[in-house]
Amino acid sequence: EPEVTQTPSHQVTQMGQEVILRCVPISNHLYFYWYRQILGQKVEFLVSFYNNEISEKSEIFDDQFSVERPDGSNFTLKIRSTKLEDSAMYFCASSPTPGAMGNSPLHFGNGTRLTVT
Amino acid sequence: TQLLEQSPQFLSIQEGENLTVYCNSSSVFSSLQWYRQEPGEGPVLLVTVVTGGEVKKLKRLTFQFGDARKDSSLHITAAQPGDTGLYLCAGAGGSEKLVFGKGTKLTVNP
Repeated sequence: EPEVTQTPSHQVTQMGQEVILRCVPISNHLYFYWYRQILGQKVEFLVSFYNNEISEKSEIFDDQFSVERPDGSNFTLKIRSTKLEDSAMYFCASSPTPGAMGNSPLHFGNGTRLTVT
Repeated sequence: TQLLEQSPQFLSIQEGENLTVYCNSSSVFSSLQWYRQEPGEGPVLLVTVVTGGEVKKLKRLTFQFGDARKDSSLHITAAQPGDTGLYLCAGAGGSEKLVFGKGTKLTVNP
C-alpha cells in the first residue's frame, strides 16, 4: 500500500539554525499537510497546501515557517531560525481529496523528530 | 476555539475485557475521525463518522457519533494485546484543519 515517507527520521539542530524537513506524499494525492506533536501534547495543525499554494495555516505557522513543493513529488517544511520550542515530532500528511473539509482521511507519514538544542 | 477532550487519558485492562473511550466537545463537528498511533509512527485512520447518531463497526471496534455531532465513542469488545496503542479522535469543523484530542493510551495485558 502506498505510504507517505518522511526524512530524516530524527534531526538535531542548534537554536537559530535553519532546518528543512522532507516528505514524499502518496503520488496521486493533491492535498498536503504538516502537523506537529510536542512531546506529551496534542497533534496540532500547522498548514495545508493545495495547487501549489497554502490553503490554510494556523497561528503556529508564523514567518519562520515555509512550505514548498519544489519538484512535484517532494513536499518540504522549512523552519528558518529554529527555537527550543520548535522541538517536536513533525508529521506530513496527504489526501486525494480535501481532507478535513471533505471528511476524507489523512494519510500520515511516520514523522521527523526535531530536537533543537 | 474548537477543543476535543478524550477520556480516560490512560487505560490498562486485561485481555478479554471490554472498554469504551470517549471524545467530547462543546463544538459541533462536520465529521469525526478516529486514529490509532503506535510509538514512533504516524496516526493511522480507523474510521470516519459523518452523520449524527451514526454507528460504525470494525471487527471488535464500534464507533458512535453523537446525535448533536459534538461527541463520539469507541467501544472495544474482548480486547486483545494487539489493541494496545494510542487512540486519537480528530474533528473536522469546516476548515482544512483537523482538531485532535490528546488521546487515550490503551494497554491490554495478556
